[in-house]
Amino acid sequence: GQQLNQSPQSMFIQEGEDVSMNCTSSSIFNTWLWYKQDPGEGPVLLIALYKAGELTSNGRLTAQFGITRKDSFLNISASIPSDVGIYFCAGVLPGTASKLTFGTGTRLQVTL
Amino acid sequence: DVKVTQSSRYLVKRTGEKVFLECVQDMDHENMFWYRQDPGLGLRLIYFSYDVKMKEKGDIPEGYSVSREKKERFSLILESASTNQTSMYLCASRRQGAKNIQYFGAGTRLSVL
Repeated sequence: GQQLNQSPQSMFIQEGEDVSMNCTSSSIFNTWLWYKQDPGEGPVLLIALYKAGELTSNGRLTAQFGITRKDSFLNISASIPSDVGIYFCAGVLPGTASKLTFGTGTRLQVTL
Repeated sequence: DVKVTQSSRYLVKRTGEKVFLECVQDMDHENMFWYRQDPGLGLRLIYFSYDVKMKEKGDIPEGYSVSREKKERFSLILESASTNQTSMYLCASRRQGAKNIQYFGAGTRLSVL
């Protein structure tokens, strides 16, 4: 099936640094979602995006729906230790109703 | 808050056993989903259900079946477990028309020996 290319695969950063990650595809999506998964838990929704060019924030997190509809970006400002986890992008292809296509994840580790 | 509960956090089964993974949601959601999660592959859709007694194959349905006899419960069945089905299994639910947002359970880590 369709896959989303998510990068980077992993990041090791210092507390206080800003983080950027992205998802790209050769196909157009009409919804982008960003989830975070803590160790041993299921993914939890962070941000949902529904329109090309849309920029949405949730606390220190900001995500954008790419203007081409083929990509999305997530930024985390001033990272803290509890930001540790795996971040997944997920998209909805036109005409596929409620089916989500997931990226392969970005593993974030934060040092003090 | 939406609550999606998976009956087991960890399971160890033997090759050839029939395995049932249970998922219950308490928000009257119409849609329910089963995914498996493997390192480097993200989440892959196994089966989903739009409503009671309805089911559709996802991207990797081979070796699995599902049952949705009640709206709140969606079961994943491994008819004859194999070692390549060792994985983390995640259940999700969604309200029909609710902007594509799915809510996930905590997952079941299945090991097939």
